Amino acid sequence: DIQMTQSPSSLSASVGDRVSITCRASQSISSYLNWYQQKPGKAPKLLIYAASTLQSGVPSRFSGSGSGTNFTLTISSLQSEDFATYYCQQSYSTLWTFGQGTMVEI
Amino acid sequence: QVQLQESGPGLVKPPETLSLTCTVSGGSVNSGSYYWSWIRQPPGKELEWIGYIYYSGSTNYNPSLKSRVTISVDTSKNQISLKLSSVTAADTAVYYCARELRSGSYYMDVWGKGTTVTVSS
Repeated sequence: DIQMTQSPSSLSASVGDRVSITCRASQSISSYLNWYQQKPGKAPKLLIYAASTLQSGVPSRFSGSGSGTNFTLTISSLQSEDFATYYCQQSYSTLWTFGQGTMVEI
Repeated sequence: QVQLQESGPGLVKPPETLSLTCTVSGGSVNSGSYYWSWIRQPPGKELEWIGYIYYSGSTNYNPSLKSRVTISVDTSKNQISLKLSSVTAADTAVYYCARELRSGSYYMDVWGKGTTVTVSS
């Protein structure tokens, strides 16, 4: 299995802050990396796919970068509705795996 | 707009079989562009991909669950089903169904709201 490791596990931030979350794969996954946002009691929501492509309807303050084993999700100016848990997920292998999540809180 | 809705018992006794259904509305499970998957999330833990099915009936399962999992499709009802046998407390989780794209791009873009399953005697 390809292991996905996110850092940090949690972070505290304020509205307007620039926030970055890192995801590292245990082997190269090219650009087969997706990011999801999950709010308490809700299903995950696709934010970014193929490492850097913004899903339709997602605000442009979200961006993704990276390839190979190291990836980053950046929120350029944190909004109140962005407080949530973020997961990376690799779609390189047949068995898709997720990171452990990063909780963004006030 | 495609919507997914999971349904099934909220409580299952060990070592019985967990059975869930995902009803697809606003679209067809016969769409050759998509796969249909199940994912679960134990309380306070990360997401775990269980497996997928294609409308043709082709399946692929997480090796860690493969011996206990069956995913099937009913095109007449536009539904996907999940069966997980010999459940234990470790199978307690929120179970989601999702639509997967596995051609060109590879991601899960539509999710159901999820259904909570507790395994307890």
